[in-house]
Amino acid sequence: DIQMTQSPSSLSASVGDRVTITCRSSQSISTSLNWYQQKPGKAPNLLIYAASSLQSGVPSRFSGSGSGTDFTLTISSLQPEDFATYYCQQSYTTPWTFGQGTKVEIK
Amino acid sequence: QVQLVESGGGLVKPGGSLRLSCAASGFTFSGYYMSWIRQAPGEGLEWVSYISSSGSAIYYADSVKGRFTISRDNAENSLYLQMNSLRAEDTAVYYCARVEVPSYCGGDCSYFYYMDVWGKGTTVTVSS
Repeated sequence: DIQMTQSPSSLSASVGDRVTITCRSSQSISTSLNWYQQKPGKAPNLLIYAASSLQSGVPSRFSGSGSGTDFTLTISSLQPEDFATYYCQQSYTTPWTFGQGTKVEIK
Repeated sequence: QVQLVESGGGLVKPGGSLRLSCAASGFTFSGYYMSWIRQAPGEGLEWVSYISSSGSAIYYADSVKGRFTISRDNAENSLYLQMNSLRAEDTAVYYCARVEVPSYCGGDCSYFYYMDVWGKGTTVTVSS
């Protein structure tokens, strides 16, 4: 199975900060990498697909980059509604696997 | 609007069975692959299974293979997950999700699946 490792596991940031979350796969997955946001008690919400394509309706402050084994989710200016847990997920091969999540908290 | 609604969760004893349903509306259900994903209490997301639009292709996580069966009824716009031989570690919120591919994808798009619409989830608790 392909292992997905996110870093950091949690971070504290202030409104307006630039935030970067990293996801690394245990083998090359080309650009078969998706990012989801999940708020407590809610279902996940798709942010980015195919490593860098912004899902319709998602604010442009979210962006994704990377290919191969190293990927990044960037929030250019953190907003109050962005405090949540973020997951990466590979769809290169089954079993699809998720990272362990990165919790973004208010500083 | 596009919507997925899960049902069928509940409390079941170890070794028992449960059938989850996911009712789809607002889109052409028969044209999409569908997936189940679960989340144990306080834990991250775990992909469980996905099924092709016709039902001819099915994949499972090793943790549920041989115990869970995914199926669909395109006439009823419904997705199902039959769960047998349930274990305590199957306790989780179970989400159904629609599987999409990038519009710019040509040829083999299987590398670029993503889950763009999710239901609110249904809770399964396995306990004696």
